[in-house]
Amino acid sequence: QKEVEQDPGPLSVPEGAIVSLNCTYSNSAFQYFMWYRQYSRKGPELLMYTYSSGNKEDGRFTAQVDKSSKYISLFIRDSQPSDSATYLCAMSDPGGSNYKLTFGKGTLLTVNP
Amino acid sequence: DTEVTQTPKHLVMGMTNKKSLKCEQHMGHRAMYWYKQKAKKPPELMFVYSYEKLSINESVPSRFSPECPNSSLLNLHLHALQPEDSALYLCASSQEDGLSRAETQYFGPGTRLLVL
Repeated sequence: QKEVEQDPGPLSVPEGAIVSLNCTYSNSAFQYFMWYRQYSRKGPELLMYTYSSGNKEDGRFTAQVDKSSKYISLFIRDSQPSDSATYLCAMSDPGGSNYKLTFGKGTLLTVNP
Repeated sequence: DTEVTQTPKHLVMGMTNKKSLKCEQHMGHRAMYWYKQKAKKPPELMFVYSYEKLSINESVPSRFSPECPNSSLLNLHLHALQPEDSALYLCASSQEDGLSRAETQYFGPGTRLLVL
């Protein structure tokens, strides 16, 4: 079993839809959770990070963490064509190497106008 | 300003060439990273520098040689690469404040490398 599982998609939605992106993980030592957005042929852009169970909201984006289920989600409200990108979840274990991120494989999202 | 810059944007090199990739950040971050990313895959960590000293080498072949001249700059020297080394090379940086550094990594746009 991989440490982080992420459905690679592709996921195609109409403009204005609510998008749900998910990752599951097996390592209970992961305490920090990040979502990156990566446009084609560009570097990953840090969207959100959180370290506690519950919800964190930033504009149209909400990150949700359920440590008891080892499950994290990113919700995008009122999705826009400009949200079309690959979304990578990432996690880190502060008790291990403080530098290492474990990434999911990424989900390719297309928002159609 | 959360910007990490990388040059060049694109690079084509032969297997006998020597070239260098450059990365710069002015956020005061003291940890800097090199990643390699193949198409449709997540980034793979190669090297980590902390306070200009090499902290992590993820068993990267010696044809890749990192260098950190100062706290703002990171280089990756390339020599005798193979076609399978063709990839997007990403630089990142993060704070060094005694807490977990990993979650505050900011990536540059990358250098797309093609080895012929």
